[in-house]
Amino acid sequence: AQSVTQLDSHVSVSEGTPVLLRCNYSSSYSPSLFWYVQHPNKGLQLLLKYTSAATLVKGINGFEAEFKKSETSFHLTKPSAHMSDAAEYFCVVSVDTGGFKTIFGAGTRLFVKA
Amino acid sequence: EPEVTQTPSHQVTQMGQEVILRCVPISNHLYFYWYRQILGQKVEFLVSFYNNEISEKSEIFDDQFSVERPDGSNFTLKIRSTKLEDSAMYFCASSIDRGRTDTQYFGPGTRLTVL
Repeated sequence: AQSVTQLDSHVSVSEGTPVLLRCNYSSSYSPSLFWYVQHPNKGLQLLLKYTSAATLVKGINGFEAEFKKSETSFHLTKPSAHMSDAAEYFCVVSVDTGGFKTIFGAGTRLFVKA
Repeated sequence: EPEVTQTPSHQVTQMGQEVILRCVPISNHLYFYWYRQILGQKVEFLVSFYNNEISEKSEIFDDQFSVERPDGSNFTLKIRSTKLEDSAMYFCASSIDRGRTDTQYFGPGTRLTVL
């Protein structure tokens, strides 16, 4: 079975400090991995995705994530948090099991303190 | 930039009533989806739709649910007789293609409250 675990339900950082949002996955199939962000009253916006090329993926707004197969992880990082980064972040796995499955993590709410 | 839109943003209904949630996918996309998120729980896949028929559905998507693309732009989710447990945020999404590498673009959601 496929699953996604976001290890922190809430993360709080100060503006200008690094952000780390953790995601682990479990899959018997080759996964694609996505990070989405949701700001209040907005749709889920794609930050970045890993499909099978470079393991270090750069996304929008200075975010990046590294696919580590040995650790089954896809953690999201940003060197310096901005107030506008405060939002809910979702790690998502997509696999082809003969049918396509899209599995969401529970989400991590990021708080950014001034 | 093109966006997926959803209406209404919030729908309140009485138990047993029918509701229709509406979505306008991105215009050149061919695959359409509905997901739901019950408060405090994960986002769950409901159904995918392609070429005017359901291509995949989850065990959640029972006979109470139906989807339709009534014209060239709208994609709707109908719940025939709502239950309290249908209260959730419903997200519509669309994609150009349907593969594990294809990006789904999500709308802002409709919050359904069943009283």
